[in-house]
Amino acid sequence: AQSVSQHNHHVILSEAASLELGCNYSYGGTVNLFWYVQYPGQHLQLLLKYFSGDPLVKGIKGFEAEFIKSKFSFNLRKPSVQWSDTAEYFCAVNSLGSGNTGKLIFGQGTTLQVKP
Amino acid sequence: DSGVTQTPKHLITATGQRVTLRCSPRSGDLSVYWYQQSLDQGLQFLIQYYNGEERAKGNILERFSAQQFPDLHSELNLSSLELGDSALYFCASSVGGTGNTEAFFGQGTRLTVV
Repeated sequence: AQSVSQHNHHVILSEAASLELGCNYSYGGTVNLFWYVQYPGQHLQLLLKYFSGDPLVKGIKGFEAEFIKSKFSFNLRKPSVQWSDTAEYFCAVNSLGSGNTGKLIFGQGTTLQVKP
Repeated sequence: DSGVTQTPKHLITATGQRVTLRCSPRSGDLSVYWYQQSLDQGLQFLIQYYNGEERAKGNILERFSAQQFPDLHSELNLSSLELGDSALYFCASSVGGTGNTEAFFGQGTRLTVV
């Protein structure tokens, strides 16, 4: 079965520190990849997505992610975090195999706490 | 604001009862998805509708059912509720019905079964 694994469940950083959140998926076929963010009490918002092309994807709020096909990974990065980045981050995968639908498989999420 | 509207925001009900959660997708979106978020299971896909037809099904219990109406809003019906059904239920919508589409999420309905 397809699965998505996020390595870090809880990350605590100080402001201005660099961030990297790991995401690996198990599906071997063609995939679309997403990172969503959920601020406290709010809905899931799309940070960035990868469908095809340049494997280095830039998203909103200074976030970027790199798709490494050989490693089945899609890690999220930000060079310098801010207190306002405190949130929960979800990696999600959509497989384009048989029955191509918009269904997303989510990782367990990573809670990021940024200390001022 | 994502443009996806879910009602109600909170729902408290007793075991054995039935509830209906409602979702209005973004204007122009034809697909509606339902997800369940719980502490132990994380975010789980339940079901997808595209233009009124069921498109994909996930780990949705037989006690749960959904439909998408001609005006494209969707309802998720949960019956014979159990304590373990307590969770945050998200609706999402997208223009297309396939993977090359971005989904927009609503604020969720927090269901508490007591």
